[in-house]
Amino acid sequence: DADVTQTPRNRITKTGKRIMLECSQTKGHDRMYWYRQDPGLGLRLIYYSFDVKDINKGEISDGYSVSRQAQAKFSLSLESAIPNQTALYFCATRRGNEQFFGPGTRLTVL
Amino acid sequence: QKEVEQNSGPLSVPEGAIASLNCTYSDRGSQSFFWYRQYSGKSPELIMFIYSNGDKEDGRFTAQLNKASQYVSLLIRDSQPSDSATYLCAVNPGGADGLTFGKGTHLIIQP
Repeated sequence: DADVTQTPRNRITKTGKRIMLECSQTKGHDRMYWYRQDPGLGLRLIYYSFDVKDINKGEISDGYSVSRQAQAKFSLSLESAIPNQTALYFCATRRGNEQFFGPGTRLTVL
Repeated sequence: QKEVEQNSGPLSVPEGAIASLNCTYSDRGSQSFFWYRQYSGKSPELIMFIYSNGDKEDGRFTAQLNKASQYVSLLIRDSQPSDSATYLCAVNPGGADGLTFGKGTHLIIQP
């Protein structure tokens, strides 16, 4: 079984819709991260969390919100999706200086 | 703004040769440096990390760090077709969590 899972794996939605991307981990790591990847732009940090009560903005948090429901779960929400949020989204956990990435969610906003 | 720069490629290398991938970073306070490999449509996977100036070897891979020049490199010896992928350089900036990634170098190993 995968240690970091993401649901859904693919999602197509329309402009203005609210959407939630979910991440779960069985690694027991406290730190969790959300990144987005765009062609030609690499991965960029959206939000990160040290534990359930500690949420921090990353480089590109505008238009996104997160919820850390438990140590094992970290969700990313787009309150009102827009086309330039079309991207590949990765969740990651961290042990020491090593980050472990989930399989990604491909999101398309029409 | 803290930046990590990589040549996007593609970098084409014959099978069995040495592939050399380079990366520069702007934040002098950066503490740790990482190389990830990413196959198309897949998640990044860690190849190596390096903290100290000099070389670090792991199998066919060698990471090199020069903090004075703000330069990190990855050498892949005896390149195999399965090494064909995008290689991402990532930096842990000083005083921050999370990683700052370069845009990646697309490596092609020609059989």
